[in-house]
Amino acid sequence: GAVVSQHPSRVICKSGTSVKIECRSLDFQATTMFWYRQFPKQSLMLMATSNEGSKATYEQGVEKDKFLINHASLTLSTLTVTSAHPEDSSFYICSARHTGELFFGEGSRLTVL
Amino acid sequence: LAKTTQPISMDSYEGQEVNITCSHNNIATNDYITWYQQFPSQGPRFIIQGYKTKVTNEVASLFIPADRKSSTLSLPRVSLSDTAVYYCLVGGAGTTGGGNKLTFGTGTQLKVEL
Repeated sequence: GAVVSQHPSRVICKSGTSVKIECRSLDFQATTMFWYRQFPKQSLMLMATSNEGSKATYEQGVEKDKFLINHASLTLSTLTVTSAHPEDSSFYICSARHTGELFFGEGSRLTVL
Repeated sequence: LAKTTQPISMDSYEGQEVNITCSHNNIATNDYITWYQQFPSQGPRFIIQGYKTKVTNEVASLFIPADRKSSTLSLPRVSLSDTAVYYCLVGGAGTTGGGNKLTFGTGTQLKVEL
């Protein structure tokens, strides 16, 4: 079946640095990808919709200058957490739709020290 | 986007059938109902999707009444490995691509014991 892969699965960084997370659709093309964030014991919260070749659409309350999204190709979307702070520590998950089904990546756990 | 309401948690024992009901009173005409399973530190995994009546696959059944204001995920003969969070989502026409985003509710934490 269709696969969505994220990299890295885990990342630890110092406060103030930027971190990039990649989301790839491995065997299909995705003009749209979705980025979610999940805090411990909580549900997934949609952050933004990544659109290939155009600007991402951010959900209310999500800072677009802090969470930079680039969807440069039909198989790759990246999320960059800029100037990360400890409160940005979370589980970030991407997804893409293929033949009507929404496939999710494995998730990327970000820890900001 | 239709809001969903599910029980926060459920407990069961191995070999039992588990039914998780989700309420979605504001479901739109073109909305599908999709259930996902999530294990800790993993992305959600698709379980089943339906529009009306009953859908069955190799792992679960989905029952949707005529008014579509609720749905019930049925897991036959659960095992310990079925311990996970189950999410009910509505929205995004099932067979189209594009930007149909899905919003997650609180989910149901299912705990299966021996």
